[in-house]
Amino acid sequence: DAGVTQSPTHLIKTRGQHVTLRCSPISGHKSVSWYQQVLGQGPQFIFQYYEKEERGRGNFPDRFSARQFPNYSSELNVNALLLGDSALYLCASSSGLRLEGKNEQFFGPGTRLTVL
Amino acid sequence: EDKVVQSPLSLVVHEGDTVTLNCSYEVTNFRSLLWYKQEKKAPTFLFMLTSSGIEKKSGRLSSILDKKELFSILNITATQTGDSAIYLCAVADGNKLVFGAGTILRVKS
Repeated sequence: DAGVTQSPTHLIKTRGQHVTLRCSPISGHKSVSWYQQVLGQGPQFIFQYYEKEERGRGNFPDRFSARQFPNYSSELNVNALLLGDSALYLCASSSGLRLEGKNEQFFGPGTRLTVL
Repeated sequence: EDKVVQSPLSLVVHEGDTVTLNCSYEVTNFRSLLWYKQEKKAPTFLFMLTSSGIEKKSGRLSSILDKKELFSILNITATQTGDSAIYLCAVADGNKLVFGAGTILRVKS
């Protein structure tokens, strides 16, 4: 069974551009979360989507947006890129809304975004 | 504000040594504490802890949670070069994970 997949693997953009990152969760998982990991830091929560609705949002500006599709895959969009947006963007899927009991989050390989 | 603090930030040991990694937390809506190993990209799951005082073990790795003192430790015995990685501690706060900055472990042969 395939794990969480993300595309693209790497991406290079320039300041001011827009980027779209994609994620496909584990089959049967309805929750997708996005995290940003800047070099030298732990991942920071950006969004959670569950059953196609936003169910959580971290402390990120409105330049960051996301959506979830009927097949539970998700896109993360970042507008007006800044140098500080350079990071590893991780997608994680889980079966339920709350992270408790057997409901673990499984991470994808990430998308490495470099903003020049 | 929710906070997870890991120590030490980095550690260099020799093969065969035993290491202890620390994680303390202040999280409003604690559900569980998780440990991940991150080598190149995706963090890989090690343990989920929800109850105090119950040790979880997997091979040479073990972990325990103290919910009264709000901390957890991850022990690795008989370290190997393949244990070299970033070890991340995270607390499940409702529907999201709050991560610490990680401990960089390097095991020298």
